[in-house]
Formats: sequence, structure tokens, C-alpha cells
Amino acid sequence: EIVMTQSPATLSVSPGERATLSCRASQSVSSNLAWYQQKPGQAPRLLIYGASTRATGIPARFSGSGSGTEFTLTISSLQSEDFAVYYCQQYNNWSYTFGQGTKLEIK
Amino acid sequence: QVQLQESGPGLVKPSQTLSLTCTVSGGSISSGDYYWSWIRQPPGKGLEWIGYIYYSGSTYYNPSLKSRVTISVDTSKNQFSLKLSSVTAADTAVYYCARVVGLGLFDYWGQGTLVTVSS
Repeated sequence: EIVMTQSPATLSVSPGERATLSCRASQSVSSNLAWYQQKPGQAPRLLIYGASTRATGIPARFSGSGSGTEFTLTISSLQSEDFAVYYCQQYNNWSYTFGQGTKLEIK
Repeated sequence: QVQLQESGPGLVKPSQTLSLTCTVSGGSISSGDYYWSWIRQPPGKGLEWIGYIYYSGSTYYNPSLKSRVTISVDTSKNQFSLKLSSVTAADTAVYYCARVVGLGLFDYWGQGTLVTVSS
């Protein structure tokens, strides 16, 4: 099983600032990496796929980068609605695993 | 717009079988364009993929749950279902159904349903 490790567990950032979230895979997943946003009481929402492609309707302030085992999600200027939990997910081998999540909270 | 809706008992006794159904609207499971999946999330914890099914009935399960999981499809009702046997308190979670696009992206999700395992 490919283990996905996210850091940090919690990130405190002020509105308007930049947030950088990390995700590491235990073995290469190529660019088969997605990011999801989850707000309390809601299902996750797909943000980024292919490591760097924004899903339909996702604002340009969200960007993804990386390949192989190291990935980053960057939110360039945090809006109030961006404070949530973010999960990475690998889909490299038809057996899917998620990271444990990073909680992005208001500083 | 595709919509998914989970249904089933919210309380299951230990050692029994958890059974949930996902009803898909706004699109046909039989189109063959997608896989259909179950994912769960224990309270306050992260996401765990359970398995997926194709309209033909082909399935693939998370190896850690494989011995207890069965996913089936009913194309006439545009539904797919989850059965998880021999449940324990560790199976208490919000269970989501989702559409799988491409190699493994979950682009549409149900709202989720909380299943509690307790006597």
C-alpha cells in the first residue's frame, strides 16, 4: 500500500496570506495525485488532479505542484472560505489512499 | 448534474453486516464512463477508500477490507450497494458514495451517512 503523509497537521495562517501544504508518497505515484477540500459536515470537494490541474470551477488562487513522491498545494491569498481540511490522494495503481489531512485554520 | 444519495440503517450491532445503497441521479451507471466507489471517514479522522465497481459488476477492494466487503450494482435501479460484514466499533464512520473519473478521481460525492456500530 502506498502511504501518503501530509504536513503539517495544522497550519495557522492569516487571511490574505499564502498557505503551503505538503504531501509525500511512500513510493512514486508519478503525477497521479489529487487534492480535496473538506469543510465541516460536508463531503470532500475535488480541487486539483494530475498534481497541478485545477478541477472545474476552482479559483486560480489554488495551485498544485510536484511529481513522484513530493507534492505541494499552495493557496496564494487566503479567503475566509478556504479555511478547511485538505487531503491529498494518490491514484497511481487503481488502489487509492489518502493522506491524513492538514487542517488550515485562521491565525 | 449528477447527484448521489446514500441510504441505509444508521445503527448496526457488532458482528452484524452493514448494508448501504447509493442512488445515482442525473446520469446512468450503465453508461460505462465511470466507476462507482465507497469511501468512509471515522468521526474526526481521515478518509479511507473501501472499493469500487463498474456497471458490468467488476469490482476492486481495499486490500485491508477485502475479506469483509462486497460491492454490487443494480443498473435497473441506477444504484450500487455496499455490504461490510462482521462489523466492530472501528467501522463506525460516515460512509460516502462517489463517482470515479479517469484513473481514480472522486468528482461527485454523496452527502454521506453516519453508521454507528453499537449494541
